Amino acid sequence: DQQVKQNSPSLSVQEGRISILNCDYTNSMFDYFLWYKKYPAEGPTFLISISSIKDKNEDGRFTVFLNKSAKHLSLHIVPSQPGDSAVYFCAASVYNFNKFYFGSGTKLNVKP
Amino acid sequence: DVKVTQSSRYLVKRTGEKVFLECVQDMDHENMFWYRQDPGLGLRLIYFSYDVKMKEKGDIPEGYSVSREKKERFSLILESASTNQTSMYLCASVGGGIPGNTIYFGEGSWLTVV
Repeated sequence: DQQVKQNSPSLSVQEGRISILNCDYTNSMFDYFLWYKKYPAEGPTFLISISSIKDKNEDGRFTVFLNKSAKHLSLHIVPSQPGDSAVYFCAASVYNFNKFYFGSGTKLNVKP
Repeated sequence: DVKVTQSSRYLVKRTGEKVFLECVQDMDHENMFWYRQDPGLGLRLIYFSYDVKMKEKGDIPEGYSVSREKKERFSLILESASTNQTSMYLCASVGGGIPGNTIYFGEGSWLTVV
């Protein structure tokens, strides 16, 4: 049973608009969350993370929001750029035990 | 910068062959992982290792084994390759003992079993 779920396999957004990618988790022990970006034929690269003591973390155009009560996190990309087109994975772990659980990914297409 | 290197990017193997996928990391990380990525299924954990000669099964270990003889090297072994093992394989590493570490991935190995 998947403990981390990304229910939208794909998302299409116009350049300059906001992209919102969603992720849900079931294990209440998770307290550290990450987002990764993956281009075809490459390994995933780290984008941004958040621990459960925060509900928001920003890094440039990328913001991650965490709603612990709903066991939900989201990644906002503003403004979206064509180079952001990739597959985005969310991941979760227990903070001091380095085993990570990944969602199935959302393929983002940013149209020029 | 952390570097995780997978020695083979693209392989084509025959059914029944023994396949070795090698991974080396240069950051003295304790924990290393092997995932496979398949469309619609995301990243699924095959095996992980938290120390030399230590290994733990992940979610889909069947048909695979691993070897970690040195801290920097983690090998994935397909004892007898089958067509359903055609996939992209990703090696990853992360430091232990420090909360909130980031997991770093290699470039991936595309394996086709014919």
